[in-house]
Amino acid sequence: DAGVTQSPTHLIKTRGQQVTLRCSPKSGHDTVSWYQQALGQGPQFIFQYYEEEERQRGNFPDRFSGHQFPNYSSELNVNALLLGDSALYLCASSSAREGLGIEQFFGPGTRLTVL
Amino acid sequence: AQSVTQPDIHITVSEGASLELRCNYSYGATPYLFWYVQSPGQGLQLLLKYFSGDTLVQGIKGFEAEFKRSQSSFNLRKPSVHWSDAAEYFCAVGAGGTSYGKLTFGQGTILTVHP
Repeated sequence: DAGVTQSPTHLIKTRGQQVTLRCSPKSGHDTVSWYQQALGQGPQFIFQYYEEEERQRGNFPDRFSGHQFPNYSSELNVNALLLGDSALYLCASSSAREGLGIEQFFGPGTRLTVL
Repeated sequence: AQSVTQPDIHITVSEGASLELRCNYSYGATPYLFWYVQSPGQGLQLLLKYFSGDTLVQGIKGFEAEFKRSQSSFNLRKPSVHWSDAAEYFCAVGAGGTSYGKLTFGQGTILTVHP
């Protein structure tokens, strides 16, 4: 049973570019959440997708957008990259029918470096 | 708004010694509480969770945590630490209802284990 997978593992971009990160949820899960973890910090909630719609959003600008596909996989897009966007981006999946829909399983993350 | 405080940024213990990592939360209703562990460059692994019921919860790798509503705390404990426990530990609070399981994390506690 595959857990949460993310691609790519590492990514280097320059300021102003755009980036797309990908996530496949744990088998049986229907909800995907994205978190940003800056160096030395705890993860910060970006947004959550359920039934292909953004259900909840954290305090992040519109440069951060996402998508969920019918197979429950998800993408995180960041436009006009800033140096401060350098971080580990974590995807977490959960099921609306298990663990009160709150228990989240995390992928290994994508390390984004913006130069 | 929910929040989590982990007062200790860095803790050092000797192998075989006992461990307690502190976590205080702020949340208006009954909280859903989690402890995650993160090894360098890795994603988050769930150690244990509290939803309701018995306030002492057991997790993986010999960890346990106690929910104390009167103190708004959810401290993580282990009676005898192993060198492989060296990692960063995050406490998180989740909300149900219209928050749809958004997790709010503390800043983390780095655990160093001396032989």
